[in-house]
Amino acid sequence: DGGITQSPKYLFRKEGQNVTLSCEQNLNHDAMYWYRQDPGQGLRLIYYSQIVNDFQKGDIAEGYSVSREKKESFPLTVTSAQKNPTAFYLCASSNGQGSYEQYFGPGTRLTVT
Amino acid sequence: GNSVTQMEGPVTLSEEAFLTINCTYTATGYPSLFWYVQYPGEGLQLLLKATKADDKGSNKGFEATYRKETTSFHLEKGSVQVSDSAVYFCALSVSPGGGADGLTFGKGTHLIIQP
Repeated sequence: DGGITQSPKYLFRKEGQNVTLSCEQNLNHDAMYWYRQDPGQGLRLIYYSQIVNDFQKGDIAEGYSVSREKKESFPLTVTSAQKNPTAFYLCASSNGQGSYEQYFGPGTRLTVT
Repeated sequence: GNSVTQMEGPVTLSEEAFLTINCTYTATGYPSLFWYVQYPGEGLQLLLKATKADDKGSNKGFEATYRKETTSFHLEKGSVQVSDSAVYFCALSVSPGGGADGLTFGKGTHLIIQP
């Protein structure tokens, strides 16, 4: 079955540590996205990539970094510079055409203490 | 810029009641409109979409009509079930000329259906 996988589902880290969240898709989509979800805030765009080896900052990119070395993979690193990293992180992909509907992974809940 | 406003929740209804969740938007350009649903602890699933004015998206008994004159995309269902309890997000994308720079989401409406 085609889809998006994120791992792990739950992640715990100590303050001051960098952590990388995995996102893989086998939908052959060109575009991939990372969103952050906080209670009552909806989803906010962190980074997106429309093609391999290229990515752009979203609305809240500070304290995060990404890479896009392969079409299937778009890992997100939450750095120690991110002031409030505890959140639910969602990865999505799109074929980058038409209505640009996006397909989402199951999410990773990151807790930093 | 682009923005989506949807009614605050939680919305609590009895089973078999009629559902309306309001959504209005502002957009630079001609948007496509979406409703996504999120069950507890999960990612978002596309529920329905509409890409031009007067289009009606429908799925699983839910419907929404793209109203350009009122910049609205209200979600409706004639008879809700307990299994419809979830958070519903209205969203839009505006990417004229190609390219996909992300969706703009509303804050979500938590729907609770009581038996």
